Amino acid sequence: DAKTTQPPSMDCAEGRAANLPCNHSTISGNEYVYWYRQIHSQGPQYIIHGLKNNETNEMASLIITEDRKSSTLILPHATLRDTAVYYCIVRASGANSKLTFGKGITLSVRP
Amino acid sequence: NAGVTQTPKFQVLKTGQSMTLQCAQDMNHEYMSWYRQDPGMGLRLIHYSVGAGITDQGEVPNGYNVSRSTTEDFPLRLLSAAPSQTSVYFCASSLLGSDYGYTFGSGTRLTVV
Repeated sequence: DAKTTQPPSMDCAEGRAANLPCNHSTISGNEYVYWYRQIHSQGPQYIIHGLKNNETNEMASLIITEDRKSSTLILPHATLRDTAVYYCIVRASGANSKLTFGKGITLSVRP
Repeated sequence: NAGVTQTPKFQVLKTGQSMTLQCAQDMNHEYMSWYRQDPGMGLRLIHYSVGAGITDQGEVPNGYNVSRSTTEDFPLRLLSAAPSQTSVYFCASSLLGSDYGYTFGSGTRLTVV
């Protein structure tokens, strides 16, 4: 699976949009981009995933560049409860494909 | 719908003791897996299963055994606990295929003294 690169940390003000970047320059055509988050001491939580097109759900939006070498997770109105470690993961298609976690990016939402 | 249930939540073992970490899901997910997370690190895959009777090794399988006799349960066994196995253990499940997200349990905090 392709590796991902994320900044170690970032912060944003409560109520503002949080834009979390991720580079995956070696991504293959059959690899999906997934985002998970882990709030302190809890199990990771699935947020969103995509292959080529931009995706939106009730939690966030995922913007994937046309060349698919990078993506951005957008939390449109960050709250204090969004403070967490966010993992960008590239995962191949297929039943046996595995989810490999890196160190993620720590998002701190300030009041 | 309980999701993924892990028991116990906390456990202290002495070196050399054995124990089983339990994981159960009620979503009829074919795929189940175990991860460990050490301080300041991401999750590392220990073992996984794509269905009853089928298991395979992940990144860090040494010291751990698994079996999958039912779709619902995927226990993780430590045969002879070592201090290096002190960690937080997470179980996850999903439907098969890459178009589905994983559902994680709340974790088991294990300390081996």
